[in-house]
Order: sequence, then C-alpha cells, then structure tokens
Amino acid sequence: DIVMTQSPDSLAVSLGERATINCKSSQSVLYNSNKKNYLAWYQQKPGQPPKLFFSWSSTRESGVPGRFSGSGSGTDFTLTISALQAEDVAVYYCQQYYNSPFSFGPGTKVEIK
Amino acid sequence: EVQLVQSGAEVKKPGDSLEISCKGSGYTFSTYWIAWVRQMPGKGLEWIGIIYPRDSKVKYSPSFQGQVAIAADKSINTAYLRWSSVLASDTAIYYCARHQSETSENCPVDIWGQGTRVTVS
Repeated sequence: DIVMTQSPDSLAVSLGERATINCKSSQSVLYNSNKKNYLAWYQQKPGQPPKLFFSWSSTRESGVPGRFSGSGSGTDFTLTISALQAEDVAVYYCQQYYNSPFSFGPGTKVEIK
Repeated sequence: EVQLVQSGAEVKKPGDSLEISCKGSGYTFSTYWIAWVRQMPGKGLEWIGIIYPRDSKVKYSPSFQGQVAIAADKSINTAYLRWSSVLASDTAIYYCARHQSETSENCPVDIWGQGTRVTVS
C-alpha cells in the first residue's frame, strides 16, 4: 500500500504571506503511459466535508482561487498559497489515487499568525 | 445539481448493527464509483473503500476489510455502509464521495456528502 506523509503538521502564516505544504508518497504515483501524477489536494474547513482543490497534482478545480497552486511529480508534491487570506484557514490533505487503497496524507493545518 | 445526501446522525450501543446511506442525484449514479471515508473526532481522513454501483464491485482498505460492508442499490441510487456489530472506536463522521470521472476509480473524488455522525456509547 502507498503511504502518504505531509509536512509540516501545521503552520502559521501572516496574512498576505506564502504558505507551502509538502506531500510525499512512499512510491511514485506517476503513471508513465500518460505522464499523469495521480495526486489530489483537498481543503477541509471545520464542520464541512472536504473540497477538491487540485487533481493530477496541478490541475486547479473550478472556483479555486488563483493564489493556490499545486506542483510536483513522482513522489514529492507541494501545495502553495502565494498570499494567505483569512478564508484559507483550513486543513489540507493530499491523496493518491494511483493504487487502491487510495490513501490520504495526515493533513496540514494552516492558521493565521 | 449533482449531489450526495447522507442519512442522519446515529447513536448506537456497542454490539448494535448499523447501516448508513448515501443517495445520489443529478447524475447517472450507477456509472460513477462511490467512496466511503472515515473521520474520527479531531483526526484526519481515512479511506474505507469504494463501490461501483453498476455491478456492485467493491474494494476495501485492508484496515477496514471485515470490519464494515459496502453495498449499493442502483435502482434507488443509494450506497450503504454497514456494520454488523459496532464498537466505541467506530465513533466518527463518515462521508461518501463520488469519483470524478465516469467509470474510472483512478481519479479524485469531487462531490461529497454532508457526512453522517455516528456515535457509539
């Protein structure tokens, strides 16, 4: 099974500053035949279900603000918030959908400093 | 509107049986994989398993295999998560979620139910 890890566990960033979340998979989630990374990012706010933010490592979902970006390939991935806004306070999870079981990372909590 | 609506909160005693449901609407329910995800109090997301309603093919996480059962009734656009005997450690919020691409399991989930809170005490 693929194990997902994230770092840091939590981070506090000033409004308008950059936030960077890392996600690592225990084996590559890059499918060589189509060159796609089978990696998603979700945002979860308190009391709400998660919301899909990025698929295929870097494809932003409709409605996700442009200050969010996803990058990475193979086993190492990053979610970046270029200028943190108050509404970005949430827990962010990565998930691989390369092989069942489609495991999630443990989550990274983003707060305002 | 594409949506998943889950059944209401449950309070059970250890040893009780339990079934929670997830009803899809606004799309062809039978041809999209449905996932179940657990979130224990104050904790992260755990992938339980998935079902393809068209033929009821199921895949489980090894962590949940034998602990729960996933089923679906495509005639009423509903997926289920079942326990034969709940434990206090089953206390959690359970989400169903639809995989994004028709017929494919190898894609993210894009539509989530509102969650069902299960309390075992």
